[in-house]
This record gives sequence, C-alpha cells and structure tokens, in this order.
Amino acid sequence: QVQLVQSGAEVKKPGSSVKVSCKASGGPITTYIITWVRQAPGQGLEYMGRINPVIGTTSYAQKFGGRVTITADDSTSTVYMNLNSLRSEDTALYYCARDCSSPDCHPLGPPGWFDPWGQGTLVTVSS
Amino acid sequence: EIELTQSPGTLSLSPGESATLSCRATQSLSTTYLAWYQQKPGQAPRLLIYGASSRATGIPDRFRGSGSGTDFTLTISRLEPEDFAVYYCQLYGHSLSPTFGGGTKVEIK
Repeated sequence: QVQLVQSGAEVKKPGSSVKVSCKASGGPITTYIITWVRQAPGQGLEYMGRINPVIGTTSYAQKFGGRVTITADDSTSTVYMNLNSLRSEDTALYYCARDCSSPDCHPLGPPGWFDPWGQGTLVTVSS
Repeated sequence: EIELTQSPGTLSLSPGESATLSCRATQSLSTTYLAWYQQKPGQAPRLLIYGASSRATGIPDRFRGSGSGTDFTLTISRLEPEDFAVYYCQLYGHSLSPTFGGGTKVEIK
C-alpha cells in the first residue's frame, strides 16, 4: 500500500524559496503521478500542479505564475515541490498526493482524483 | 474555467441523522469526473468517492455519491461520530485543471 511521507515544517522569509519533499513507500514514486495541493489556515484546498515522472511532464496552476516547480528524483523515490518568491499569503499546509484516473492509478491517465495524501508540510512565511 | 459551489456551508446534525451535501458546477460536466473528500481537523483529506458515485477502498456504504451534469450530491446515511468533518468536492478530467469546492462542514448539533 502506497504511503507518502513529507518533509518537516519550514519557516521562511518573504522573497525566499522553499523546497518540500514527498517520499513514497510501497512502490517507486516514479511510477505515480504526484500532485501538490495547498491549504491556507482555515481555508479550502488549492491545486498547485503535478508531475508525471513516467513521461517526464509537469503542469502547473496558472495562479502561481511560474513560481512553482515540481521535480522527481528516481534514485530516492522522492518528488519535490519548490515555491519561490515567497510572500505571507503562501503560508499554508502543503500536501502531496497520488493522482489517479483509474482504480489501478495507471500513470498514463488524465488528471484524476487524489489518493492517498501525504501528511502535509506547514510552510510559514514571516519576516 | 469551471467553478464548484458547495452548499450549505455548514450542516448541523445529530448522530444517526442523514446528511445531504451539494456540489454545483458552473458548467455542465460531460463526464462524471467528480470526487469527494473528507477532512478532519489536523488531518490530510481522505478520498471518499470518485467518478461521482464510486466509493474508494474501505469507505463505508453509508457514504453515497450521485449526480451528473452540474449537480452532484454526497449523502451520508446514519451519521456516526467520526463523520463530523469538512467535506470537499473536486473536479478533474482531461482538459480541466483540478478544482475544489469551498467545502461543507458537518458539525454536531
């Protein structure tokens, strides 16, 4: 059974960058499509982007205007989400999740539902 | 861009009652690419329903998803204490950027 384990909480200054990791157990992460979603304090869920390591593609939500980059490291079965030019509004819990469009979560499917999710990483942006 | 509106914002019910949660899309969905999640305080969201009506692995049958077009519903029969949480719907599919509804909180009355 796939489990996603994320890196620990971060505190960053405005204008800096943060890199959050998501490591899979129960299978190589590079066979999954991994999505990143964030949740500001007391708010709802917001899609950020996804990576398909199988075919080497990424896509990002327009809102982030090039500030977000998602990469994968085959050797460590880890996916990374990098967000730069941080501002206070980026303070949020950041989640990774496996992206499935079929019950077997075939990695060549279209964007789908998210299951399972990592435990979340709190990123606080404060001067 | 298609948006999802969930209603009501908060539902106050007692254990044993049934909950009906609504998720409405601003445009008709040509396929039932809709998922539902449950989120409890301090926890990550958990997938309940995909394809509008298919229950995820391990989800009790008191959770039922239905709907098509622009109107989707999550029905929770016989609320258990552990069902009090926030529920989100999510749109997905080929040309659609995944979108979440704003959530419905089901609280104990």
